[in-house]
Amino acid sequence: SQTIHQWPATLVQPVGSPLSLECTVEGTSNPNLYWYRQAAGRGLQLLFYSVGIGQISSEVPQNLSASRPQDRQFILSSKKLLLSDSGFYLCAWSRVAYNEQFFGPGTRLTVL
Amino acid sequence: AQSVTQPDIHITVSEGASLELRCNYSYGATPYLFWYVQSPGQGLQLLLKYFSGDTLVQGIKGFEAEFKRSQSSFNLRKPSVHWSDAAEYFCAVGANSGYALNFGKGTSLLVTP
Repeated sequence: SQTIHQWPATLVQPVGSPLSLECTVEGTSNPNLYWYRQAAGRGLQLLFYSVGIGQISSEVPQNLSASRPQDRQFILSSKKLLLSDSGFYLCAWSRVAYNEQFFGPGTRLTVL
Repeated sequence: AQSVTQPDIHITVSEGASLELRCNYSYGATPYLFWYVQSPGQGLQLLLKYFSGDTLVQGIKGFEAEFKRSQSSFNLRKPSVHWSDAAEYFCAVGANSGYALNFGKGTSLLVTP
C-alpha cells in the first residue's frame, strides 16, 4: 500500500529565516506530487505540482519554491520567510493520469 | 475555469440526525468530483469520488453523494450522524486531463449530543 510522509509536523520560524519542508511517498512509482497551503477559513491553495523529477509547475507567485530531486521526494523551500507564509502545508500525490489525490498529515508552520 | 462553491461555512446537527452538505461546481465538461474530510490538525481523507456512471456514489464511513448534472451539484449525505463525524468537509473538482484539483472553502460540521 502507498503511504505519504511529511516532516516536520510542526515548525516555528522567525521572519527572514529559510524553510525546508519535505514530503516522501512510498509504495508507488512516478506519482504526481502537489504542495498545498491551507489558511484558516480559506480552503486549500495549490502552490506547486510536479509530474516528474525536476519538473515543477508553480500556481501562485510567491517567495516559495519547490524541488523534486528524486521520484518520490518533494521539497518546499524558502530563502526568507514572511509572516504571511504561516499556515498548514499539505503534500499530496496522485497516480499519473488520475486526479484522485492522497494527502499527507501536514506541517503546521508558524512564522513569528 | 473550474470553481467549487460550498454555500455553508458551518453546519450544526444533532447526533443521530441526517446530514446534507452542499457543493456546487462550475465546469464545462463532466468533472471529476470528490469529497474529503479533515479532522483538526490532520491531513485530508478521501470520502468518495465520482468519475462517471451511477450518479449515486457510496463512500467510507456511511457517506454517500449524488451527482446532479442539471443542478451542477454534488451534495454529500449521511442518514445518521455520529459525534465522530465532526470535522471539516471539502468538495473538490478536477478536470479529466488536468493535474490540479479545485477545492471549495470547506464546511465545518459540529455535532451536538
